[in-house]
Amino acid sequence: ELKVEQNPLFLSMQEGKNYTIYCNYSTTSDRLYWYRQDPGKSLESLFVLLSNGAVKQEGRLMASLDTKARLSTLHITAAVHDLSATYFCAVNFGNEKLTFGTGTRLTIIP
Amino acid sequence: DTEVTQTPKHLVMGMTNKKSLKCEQHMGHRAMYWYKQKAKKPPELMFVYSYEKLSINESVPSRFSPECPNSSLLNLHLHALQPEDSALYLCASSQDWRDEQYFGPGTRLTVT
Repeated sequence: ELKVEQNPLFLSMQEGKNYTIYCNYSTTSDRLYWYRQDPGKSLESLFVLLSNGAVKQEGRLMASLDTKARLSTLHITAAVHDLSATYFCAVNFGNEKLTFGTGTRLTIIP
Repeated sequence: DTEVTQTPKHLVMGMTNKKSLKCEQHMGHRAMYWYKQKAKKPPELMFVYSYEKLSINESVPSRFSPECPNSSLLNLHLHALQPEDSALYLCASSQDWRDEQYFGPGTRLTVT
């Protein structure tokens, strides 16, 4: 079965702290995407990871991909309130569609 | 231009109504998608069009009928919906099915 699992499902963290969201997937893929969704809004593309060892950074967010471990991480550095949102990873398993993780609802507390 | 547009933004319809959702992109993308998203859940794929042909139907009830009139447009025709069909409907497009998907702003549908 093609599955994508994210953890944690919920994350409440203080401003200024660092944390990591994990995305595990069930079978071989080298195409993984991270999206952000604000309440009531659509999905915004954050990162596209297309090869083993890929690392992308934008502001306080950094994403990486380890295809051998079937694992991607989204690292948050020195969190600020604006980063509060739901984050989804999604994997293309080569079957014409994206399989989404369950999402991580991130709340940054002042 | 990396924009996917959707109309309307909000739609309220009765269970006997017929309505349509519209999606448009001008990025030259050849794959287009319809998703349904319930609150606090990930998007669920409904349909995939690739090169204007329906390539995936995820066992969606026939009260939802997709149409791809040309490479830039995607419609979703709605008829005899149920209250449980109330959700955010998202359209997306990508250069090819292997590539990054760009999402439109969505249509918030309420069935009464």
